[in-house]
Amino acid sequence: DAGITQSPRHKVTETGTPVTLRCHQTENHRYMYWYRQDPGHGLRLIHYSYGVKDTDKGEVSDGYSVSRSKTEDFLLTLESATSSQTSVYFCAISGVGGDTGELFFGEGSRLTVL
Amino acid sequence: QQQVKQSPQSLIVQKGGISIINCAYENTAFDYFPWYQQFPGKGPALLIAIRPDVSEKKEGRFTISFNKSAKQFSLHIMDSQPGDSATYFCAASMKGGNQFYFGTGTSLTVIP
Repeated sequence: DAGITQSPRHKVTETGTPVTLRCHQTENHRYMYWYRQDPGHGLRLIHYSYGVKDTDKGEVSDGYSVSRSKTEDFLLTLESATSSQTSVYFCAISGVGGDTGELFFGEGSRLTVL
Repeated sequence: QQQVKQSPQSLIVQKGGISIINCAYENTAFDYFPWYQQFPGKGPALLIAIRPDVSEKKEGRFTISFNKSAKQFSLHIMDSQPGDSATYFCAASMKGGNQFYFGTGTSLTVIP
């Protein structure tokens, strides 16, 4: 299994509070991604990173920010959580990006916003 | 706007039967089409992938059929087994691209 660790794995929070999810990899892969998974929507890209301090938006980036200060860590922050951000969040990594690269996923972080 | 459209949303197949999941896309810049398999409580994992220069790729009981002119591709699971019960996602990406675009997923249940 690819060395990807997501934390926390489960979190319940209240509307308006900040939340940070962490993804840690031990593979030294260049690309890191944050997806959210919701019934009927599949996997939707929130943000991705193609190197340290290099990030870009995905299709559902509103309300989320990311940071990558080290190769191994990619943080997803919800500045002020809303109920619509209740979801399962997956981190993924890839050595060569979308061209031919295989995505390796973490086990997910289930976030509930009350 | 969904870049990759996947159907059906759910599928129930008898053990030993053939499971077929279909995907369609519009962007002709896509040139890599993977399928991911996800078991409950786990992250998706790559199952099989194809490039548009071939019309079919087979790995064991899993086959991707690719129709470039129709911009469609499908996953066929032969001799379906209860252990194949999972959610399947098709995806697409572009040459030189950083992003993968996923379908909405198909929940497959194989009944004994």
